[in-house]
Amino acid sequence: NAGVTQTPKFQVLKTGQSMTLQCAQDMNHNSMYWYRQDPGMGLRLIYYSASEGTTDKGEVPNGYNVSRLNKREFSLRLESAAPSQTSVYFCASSEGGRSTDTQYFGPGTRLTVL
Amino acid sequence: AQTVTQSQPEMSVQEAETVTLSCTYDTSESDYYLFWYKQPPSRQMILVIRQEAYKQQNATENRFSVNFQKAAKSFSLKISDSQLGDAAMYFCAYRSPRGTYKYIFGTGTRLKVLA
Repeated sequence: NAGVTQTPKFQVLKTGQSMTLQCAQDMNHNSMYWYRQDPGMGLRLIYYSASEGTTDKGEVPNGYNVSRLNKREFSLRLESAAPSQTSVYFCASSEGGRSTDTQYFGPGTRLTVL
Repeated sequence: AQTVTQSQPEMSVQEAETVTLSCTYDTSESDYYLFWYKQPPSRQMILVIRQEAYKQQNATENRFSVNFQKAAKSFSLKISDSQLGDAAMYFCAYRSPRGTYKYIFGTGTRLKVLA
């Protein structure tokens, strides 16, 4: 049971380049989330998917798009990367739909935009 | 809107001693959930402990316990018998019982454990 996996672990982009961060979970969870972590700011929610087939904006969605490919996979795309998107990105998942929900996190992707 | 505040950017504790990390939050809801997550240098976010607001009893997980003061909107984490492996960033998080169950995180406290 791998839990939540993310690829890649590290990535360096030039301004204007695009890329997709991949996330997969094998816990049969319904809900999935993308966060970014910046120094001194904790984790901030970018997008989330409460269930397969739905996605919604979080706190900081500008410059990002997401796709809930199926129940297991939730990808985050940067269409035109900017230096302000340099951050560590975390994917998380949870059972969803229950008040006792707990989120489980992947190992993170460190992204640098030059 | 709910907010979570961790006012201690950094704390130090001697090995085998006890340390308390502070967290306060603001909400108008009466029922909610609070969490402490640990983030070691590996960056992996690890759930430490969880507290349901409707439960008066403070949650405990081995050497980790919380002091939940609902009226004061305070949720501190106590680590007893601190070990070198406890050194990490610790994040407090709030979750509403309604809607999409999104988390709101504090800014974190870096804990150093001195040998």
